[in-house]
Amino acid sequence: EVQLVESGGGLVQPGGSLKLSCAVSGFTFSAYSMNWVRQAPGKGLEWISHISGSSNTIYYADSVKGRFTVSRDNGKNSLYLEMNSLRAEDTAIYHCARVGLGASDIWGQGTKVFVSS
Amino acid sequence: DIVLTQSPATLSLSPGDRATLSCRASQSVSGYLAWYQHKPGQAPRLLIYEASNRATGIPARFSGSGSGTDFTLTISSLEPEDFAVYYCHHRNIWPPVFTFGQGTNLEIK
Repeated sequence: EVQLVESGGGLVQPGGSLKLSCAVSGFTFSAYSMNWVRQAPGKGLEWISHISGSSNTIYYADSVKGRFTVSRDNGKNSLYLEMNSLRAEDTAIYHCARVGLGASDIWGQGTKVFVSS
Repeated sequence: DIVLTQSPATLSLSPGDRATLSCRASQSVSGYLAWYQHKPGQAPRLLIYEASNRATGIPARFSGSGSGTDFTLTISSLEPEDFAVYYCHHRNIWPPVFTFGQGTNLEIK
């Protein structure tokens, strides 16, 4: 069974840092690009980061560029999102998603990040 | 950047009704147009990819159509479990930038 499980969310103060993880199973992780997508309270889905299977191609949404860093460890079947200089507007549920069929075809349930003093 | 505009923002229908959801792109897009269903507390679920292909396990009552700038998700006869928020989504080939519409809330009338 294909599974993506996010972890690492929590409460952090503005300006702080947090590192999210996404553990995957049930498919050949290195063969797939991956995305991070978030949903702020009361808002829609927002794509924030993309990384290719080999980590050669990495892209970010303007809203997180320069503050967030995506990475992966194919040997550990894991995807990461390092978040720095966090702001209140980064409060959201963060999902990892596999890129397949020209879209994000498999998603995790998400991990909650709350930025507040 | 491509902007996806969904309409209506809210659609109030009854079980058994036909639902038609629209997604308009700010410029002509390639075939990488997808539709997702999202329920609170759950992972988004891919329904349609490449504008008109149903994803694995998606019931036949869901269909997608369109090309260029105008796309439609149709649910032929609503089941109680279909009431949710629906998003259209575009994947740009290069650079790999992904865009979501703002969503249509399909609610029970």
